[in-house]
Amino acid sequence: DAGVIQSPRHEVTEMGQEVTLRCKPISGHNSLFWYRQTMMRGLELLIYFNNNVPIDDSGMPEDRFSAKMPNASFSTLKIQPSEPRDSAVYFCASSQTGIRTGELFFGEGSRLTVL
Amino acid sequence: TQLLEQSPQFLSIQEGENLTVYCNSSSVFSSLQWYRQEPGEGPVLLVTVVTGGEVKKLKRLTFQFGDARKDSSLHITAAQPGDTGLYLCRTGFQKLVFGTGTRLLVSP
Repeated sequence: DAGVIQSPRHEVTEMGQEVTLRCKPISGHNSLFWYRQTMMRGLELLIYFNNNVPIDDSGMPEDRFSAKMPNASFSTLKIQPSEPRDSAVYFCASSQTGIRTGELFFGEGSRLTVL
Repeated sequence: TQLLEQSPQFLSIQEGENLTVYCNSSSVFSSLQWYRQEPGEGPVLLVTVVTGGEVKKLKRLTFQFGDARKDSSLHITAAQPGDTGLYLCRTGFQKLVFGTGTRLLVSP
């Protein structure tokens, strides 16, 4: 069975460029989460969707970050313009059951480096 | 302010040793999960605990949920190199946060 699929796996870009990260959740899962992981701050929740609707985006660092989920099988996280401090591994995860107790299934992550 | 504090942050041990890692908060959890993350991969769920005082075992791993549902521990018996990884706890309370993590290295 296909798990959560993220692309690209690695992205190197220059400061000021737009970055788009993509995620395909597990079919049938109704919740989708975007996390960012760094050594300094650990695993931070950026935003989560339930049934394609953004429920809480208070973790989004600032207006440079935006996320969309146009349908149940696709989500994007966009950074425009990117900055060196955005360098991190970005994870997408999906869940089938209730948000609070459901198992999260993670993708392999997208490692972003902003020069 | 970090909702979930994990300790220790780093642990380096030899194969065969026992260890315990902790996840603590001043808040009450509705439920708590433990995940393990290996390098280059996303976290993978190990267990979910929901009842105060609950103990769950997964082979050599023993998970305990505090009676007051404010803390949890993970005990590994006879650690093996395959146990190496980042251990994370997660709560569904408020912002669905993950803990700070414990990075475990088990050497042969």
